Amino acid sequence: AQKVTQAQTEISVVEKEDVTLDCVYETRDTTYYLFWYKQPPSGELVFLIRRNSFDEQNEISGRYSWNFQKSTSSFNFTITASQVVDSAVYFCALFSYNTDKLIFGTGTRLQVFP
Amino acid sequence: KAGVTQTPRYLIKTRGQQVTLSCSPISGHRSVSWYQQTPGQGLQFLFEYFSETQRNKGNFPGRFSGRQFSNSRSEMNVSTLELGDSALYLCASSSVWTDTQYFGPGTRLTVL
Repeated sequence: AQKVTQAQTEISVVEKEDVTLDCVYETRDTTYYLFWYKQPPSGELVFLIRRNSFDEQNEISGRYSWNFQKSTSSFNFTITASQVVDSAVYFCALFSYNTDKLIFGTGTRLQVFP
Repeated sequence: KAGVTQTPRYLIKTRGQQVTLSCSPISGHRSVSWYQQTPGQGLQFLFEYFSETQRNKGNFPGRFSGRQFSNSRSEMNVSTLELGDSALYLCASSSVWTDTQYFGPGTRLTVL
């Protein structure tokens, strides 16, 4: 079975703090893709990153960084020096050709206070 | 390039009615997927269309149906609405070159 677990329901930080959002996935497929999406209060899911199962390189994009570890089936997301505009719900998702659909975690609500 | 657009953005219906939601994908994208988001169930896959054919379907009753037109625009229909159908319905499109799905702003449906 395919599953994505985001154990952190809600995280609150003060601006400029670093924060890490955890994502653990389950799949028996050898080829799959992992995603992170951001959902601001407006509701639209904004694509942040896609990583395939053969690429374990960590990625950094500005204040965002992602750590993919197949050994622990985790794909964690870190925001450095958080800002109020980072406040949103963040979803981790899994895609494989066996299911041919995105399977989402339950999301982590991040609140960044000034 | 324009993003995924969905109309209408908000809908209020009463139980028993039916509703049609529309989604226009990013230009050049031929795959359209639909998701339902509720506080209790989270984001759940409804179905996916590619080249006017339903390619995949989630675990929803037959009251939920969809179709795709030759220009890749897609519609989703829910018949005999129930209170539990109140949700944010999100549409996403992707191209044949990548499996990354890009989402629209959603249609918020309220069933009274």
